[in-house]
Amino acid sequence: GEDVEQSLFLSVREGDSSVINCTYTDSSSTYLYWYKQEPGAGLQLLTYIFSNMDMKQDQRLTVLLNKKDKHLSLRIADTQTGDSAIYFCAESYNAGNMLTFGGGTRLMVKP
Amino acid sequence: KAGVTQTPRYLIKTRGQQVTLSCSPISGHRSVSWYQQTPGQGLQFLFEYFSETQRNKGNFPGRFSGRQFSNSRSEMNVSTLELGDSALYLCASRNATGTLNEKLFFGSGTQLSVL
Repeated sequence: GEDVEQSLFLSVREGDSSVINCTYTDSSSTYLYWYKQEPGAGLQLLTYIFSNMDMKQDQRLTVLLNKKDKHLSLRIADTQTGDSAIYFCAESYNAGNMLTFGGGTRLMVKP
Repeated sequence: KAGVTQTPRYLIKTRGQQVTLSCSPISGHRSVSWYQQTPGQGLQFLFEYFSETQRNKGNFPGRFSGRQFSNSRSEMNVSTLELGDSALYLCASRNATGTLNEKLFFGSGTQLSVL
């Protein structure tokens, strides 16, 4: 079955860049997403990328996709303390349908 | 436009009881999905409803069921609760018009504790 894996934890200093990595196994994945979850809250969609794209940039966020290696990354430029949260990558075959999530990466931003 | 609304926010039940959770999607969204989030298993897909019909189902026992009403609001029910059902239950909605840039929007969840 599908499997999505992420490292558990990342700690950075305020102002630095953060890079959160994700690997997936399902080669039929068409849509790949990054969600953010703050304590006690639901999931907030940050950005997404189609499998026919290599890169997508949205303000401080840059998503890189290496389809050959099935590797997805999220780079947050100028990381702020408000970026501290759990970040989930997810994949689906159809847009928005039946997402398979990674275990989440807890990002801690130190002042 | 209001977001996805889930009620109640917190719920405490005992083993063997049943529970019903409610979800109101974003206005105009016709698809509602449910996910279970636990520390051990992470986020897992439960089911998706569209136009009052279940379209997809995850790998959960039959104790987990759901339905969708004509106004797209959805409920999920868990019968004969077990301790392992303690989780954050997240509802998500999307427009389901089939456009390429379709997005899934999540509610804040219902935190269920089974004692």
